[in-house]
Amino acid sequence: EVQLVESGGGLIQPGGSLRLSCAASGFTVGNNYMNWVRQAPGKGLEWVSLIYSGGATKYADSVKGRFTISRDSSKNMLYLQMNSLRVEDTAVYYCGGTSSLDYWGQGTLVTVSS
Amino acid sequence: EIVLTQSPDFQSVTPGEKVSITCRASQSIGNNLHWYQQKADQSPKLLIKYASQSFSGVPSRFTGSGSGTDFTLTINSLEAEDAATYYCRQSISAPETFGQGTKVEIK
Repeated sequence: EVQLVESGGGLIQPGGSLRLSCAASGFTVGNNYMNWVRQAPGKGLEWVSLIYSGGATKYADSVKGRFTISRDSSKNMLYLQMNSLRVEDTAVYYCGGTSSLDYWGQGTLVTVSS
Repeated sequence: EIVLTQSPDFQSVTPGEKVSITCRASQSIGNNLHWYQQKADQSPKLLIKYASQSFSGVPSRFTGSGSGTDFTLTINSLEAEDAATYYCRQSISAPETFGQGTKVEIK
């Protein structure tokens, strides 16, 4: 059974940094296309970033230059380093696996507020 | 950026009825269109991948069709457990994008 479990969310002040983690089981992060997707309170889904199996990365314009997606194949983990956080980054962040997002984690809440 | 526009935004439906949700892309995306269901306070779940392929374990009443710019998710004989918000998403090019969502309410 595939499981993706996010962690690392919390309350952070504007301008601060957080690193989100996504632990995978039953699924190999390094061999797959992995995404981060977020959902602001009461809003729809917003794509944030992806990393291809080959290692290339892409970002939404809203986070480009502030967020960095990475993975550790030895630990079967996906990460999202978030710097210069803004109030509008407040959301539940989901990691997802495969190009069609077959698998989703339960999400981790990031709240950016002073 | 490819914009996905879903219609309708909201639908109130009686159990047993058929539901159709459309997703229109601002440019051709081939079959790189996927459908998700999100129930209240839950993570999204994949229903249909690549426009028409049913995902494992998804009830057969959920079907997808279309290609290019126009796509449809159909729920045949709606059940009470299908109350949710449904999203389409394109994966042909980054930035990947989602539709705005269609909320389905059970009458």
